[in-house]
Amino acid sequence: ETGVTQTPRHLVMGMTNKKSLKCEQHLGHNAMYWYKQSAKKPLELMFVYSLEERVENNSVPSRFSPECPNSSHLFLHLHTLQPEDSALYLCASSQDRNLLHTQYFGPGTRLTVL
Amino acid sequence: GENVEQHPSTLSVQEGDSAVIKCTYSDSASNYFPWYKQELGKRPQLIIDIRSNVGEKKDQRIAVTLNKTAKHFSLHITETQPEDSAVYFCAATLGGFKTIFGAGTRLFVKA
Repeated sequence: ETGVTQTPRHLVMGMTNKKSLKCEQHLGHNAMYWYKQSAKKPLELMFVYSLEERVENNSVPSRFSPECPNSSHLFLHLHTLQPEDSALYLCASSQDRNLLHTQYFGPGTRLTVL
Repeated sequence: GENVEQHPSTLSVQEGDSAVIKCTYSDSASNYFPWYKQELGKRPQLIIDIRSNVGEKKDQRIAVTLNKTAKHFSLHITETQPEDSAVYFCAATLGGFKTIFGAGTRLFVKA
């Protein structure tokens, strides 16, 4: 289970903190995704990057800022979050721009905002 | 807007019985339908998928059916085992990069 890794696995932060989530994929994929998973709600797609270019931004508040420096790494920068942002944040990757290829998920970062 | 409805939200079966989870989607342009299994504390993992040009696909105890006309697809698990207990998510791709997930079904298999 080392294809897609995420750090940290758990994060507790105050509303005024700045933190970053990191995702790395070792599968040679060209597309990477951020999802938010809250209890009893569907997985919510946040951002999609293809070949380091952002191709989807699902009306995500600006307090979440993604960064994709290369096709293997994806970051989610967090700033002045709200308690309702507490959730499991999942990264995923897929082979290329065509979503008919399987998405492989990382283990997630469990975020708690106090 | 686009959405995927998934039912039931919770399903409890006896070991050895079959389990069926159903999803409906709203956008007829959807062309790819993966199913993910997420065990407690673990990441979602693909268990089976189906493309819009196929009506049914089977992999050992797991099968998926797709009815494009009715815009619904179903997951069938036969001879359930305790290790099948997990949350199952259906999803539909709506073109481009949009994947819409269902809310999940928590399956309990009682030994």
